[in-house]
Amino acid sequence: ENVLTQSPGTLSLSPGERATLSCRASRSVSSTYLAWYQQKPGQAPRLLIYGISSRATGIPDRFSGSGSGTDFTLTISRLESEDFAVYYCQQYGSWPLTFGGGTKVEI
Amino acid sequence: QVQLVESGGGVVQSGRSLRLSCAASGFTFSTYGIHWVRQAPGKGLEWVAVISYDGSSTYYADSVKGRFTISRDNSKNTLYLQMSTLRVEDTAVYYCAKDLGDYYYANYFDPWGQGTLVTVSS
Repeated sequence: ENVLTQSPGTLSLSPGERATLSCRASRSVSSTYLAWYQQKPGQAPRLLIYGISSRATGIPDRFSGSGSGTDFTLTISRLESEDFAVYYCQQYGSWPLTFGGGTKVEI
Repeated sequence: QVQLVESGGGVVQSGRSLRLSCAASGFTFSTYGIHWVRQAPGKGLEWVAVISYDGSSTYYADSVKGRFTISRDNSKNTLYLQMSTLRVEDTAVYYCAKDLGDYYYANYFDPWGQGTLVTVSS
């Protein structure tokens, strides 16, 4: 299976700062099949980004995704209070579908 | 609006069985694949299984293959997960999540239900 490793485990930042989250795959991800999800405490995850860089419906443009092959990045340009959460990457280019271990963005 | 509501979770002894349900509304259920994803307490996300829009195709994680069965009833807009030979390590919140592909597997998901907790005791 394609193992996804996210770093850092925790990112401590302040509102207004830029957040850069990394996701590295053990094998090249087929095509553009990489997504990002946000999960807040006590809530289900929600889709932020699919196809490496396409924002899901209703996702603000301060969220952006980039990368290719085995290295991917989620960037939050200016953190707002509601962005403090855990973020997961997911590859869907091969079975089984796999998630990274998550990055917690905290104040 | 699109809504998914899981039910059927609870406490069960190791080795026993449990069936989860996921009731869908707000979209044409019979044209979308649906996934199960689980999250152990305090841990990350683990994809479990998916079923195609018409039930003709299914895929499973190796950790549940042969023990779990995903199915659907399009006449009732309901998804199921039959879990057998449960293990302590199956303890998790189980989410159902709608695939974004219409008549095909997109394999990324939104929205998700609120989840149902399954606790397997030894």
